[in-house]
Amino acid sequence: DGGITQSPKYLFRKEGQNVTLSCEQNLNHDAMYWYRQDPGQGLRLIYYSQIVNDFQKGDIAEGYSVSREKKESFPLTVTSAQKNPTAFYLCASSIDPPGVTYNEQFFGPGTRLTVL
Amino acid sequence: DQQVKQNSPSLSVQEGRISILNCDYTNSMFDYFLWYKKYPAEGPTFLISISSIKDKNEDGRFTVFLNKSAKHLSLHIVPSQPGDSAVYFCAATSAIGYALNFGKGTSLLVTP
Repeated sequence: DGGITQSPKYLFRKEGQNVTLSCEQNLNHDAMYWYRQDPGQGLRLIYYSQIVNDFQKGDIAEGYSVSREKKESFPLTVTSAQKNPTAFYLCASSIDPPGVTYNEQFFGPGTRLTVL
Repeated sequence: DQQVKQNSPSLSVQEGRISILNCDYTNSMFDYFLWYKKYPAEGPTFLISISSIKDKNEDGRFTVFLNKSAKHLSLHIVPSQPGDSAVYFCAATSAIGYALNFGKGTSLLVTP
């Protein structure tokens, strides 16, 4: 079955620690994205990647870092510099990079990060 | 600044009736619009989309209407079913956009 997996589903972190959220897709999609959702808010873009070894900042990239060494993987690191890291994090992918064709983004199940 | 707005945080509808979810946008460059459905603690799932060259798109019980002059779109669900109870997000993008711009969502409750 093709899809997007995110692990773990729940993650707890002590303040001041870095933590990495996993995102893997086997859909052979070129583009991948990271969003953050806070209660009562829409999804806000953190980072996106159009192709392997390339990524761009989204609207709220401060305190986050990513890598795209493989087409199927796009891990997100939440660093200690992120002031309010507690949130629900969603990874998504799309067939073509934005601006090439219109295509919907497919989302993973999400990871809820709680900073203690 | 929120470019996609869903002004109704919640909506309650009786089973079998029509649900109408509304969405407004401010950016005239947006030309592709999507609706996603989301259950708690899960990722959003794509529901239906519409391009700006159309004013209506239908898929089963779901229809999306686009009024470009008013920068307004709406999602109609007919007939509504209890399983439709979820949060619905409106999203928009453009040919030169790099990501989807999401509204804050509308929580739909369909009661038996």
